[in-house]
Amino acid sequence: EVELVESGGGLVQPGRSLRLSCAASGFRFKDYTMHWVRQSPGKGLEWVSSITWNSFNTRYADSVRGRFTISRDNANNSLHLQMNSLRAEDTAFYYCAKDRVGGGINYYFDSWGQGTLVTVSS
Amino acid sequence: QSALTQPASVSGSPGQSITISCSGISSDVGGYSYVSWYRQHPGEAPKLIIYDVINRPFGVSNRFSGSKSGNTASLTISGLQAEDEAHYYCSSSASSSTPLFGGGTKLTVL
Repeated sequence: EVELVESGGGLVQPGRSLRLSCAASGFRFKDYTMHWVRQSPGKGLEWVSSITWNSFNTRYADSVRGRFTISRDNANNSLHLQMNSLRAEDTAFYYCAKDRVGGGINYYFDSWGQGTLVTVSS
Repeated sequence: QSALTQPASVSGSPGQSITISCSGISSDVGGYSYVSWYRQHPGEAPKLIIYDVINRPFGVSNRFSGSKSGNTASLTISGLQAEDEAHYYCSSSASSSTPLFGGGTKLTVL
């Protein structure tokens, strides 16, 4: 069974940094594109970033490009999101999600973690 | 790119059918078959219920069906059950672009 467990969330001041992690198990992690999707409390979903299986292709939402960096460690089945220059509008639950099909990016998120809450406030 | 447009809320009685619309433009929903739907219960992560406009992942009930006409995709839930009460989100990704989500629709089972 696929399991995704996020960690690293918390309260951080504007302008500071935070690094999220996602521990994956139950599938061949190295074969799948992985994503980060966020949801502000009580609001809708927003795609944040994606990384292909081999890390060759990374993509970012305009709202985070230049501030966030996605990475992965296939040897340790983990996904990461380095978040710099955080803003109040980055406050959200951050979900790690697995792409439905191995290989490329098709943006069908077929497994999700439970989410980790990032709160940006002074 | 703007978010896709969904009604804020829909409702139906047990056993009835409801349809949730998801409106986009020709460069997203209308131009490609990369439409998906997610169900999210309070306090839980979203769950994929439809992909490629019409396909259901393994294990998803056949009470859920998807369709598309022009720039609007739709999710139909037949035989409404209490457990269907949740938020539903559509998503569309053009072939070389990044995904958009709809604002979400709250389904109330009366």
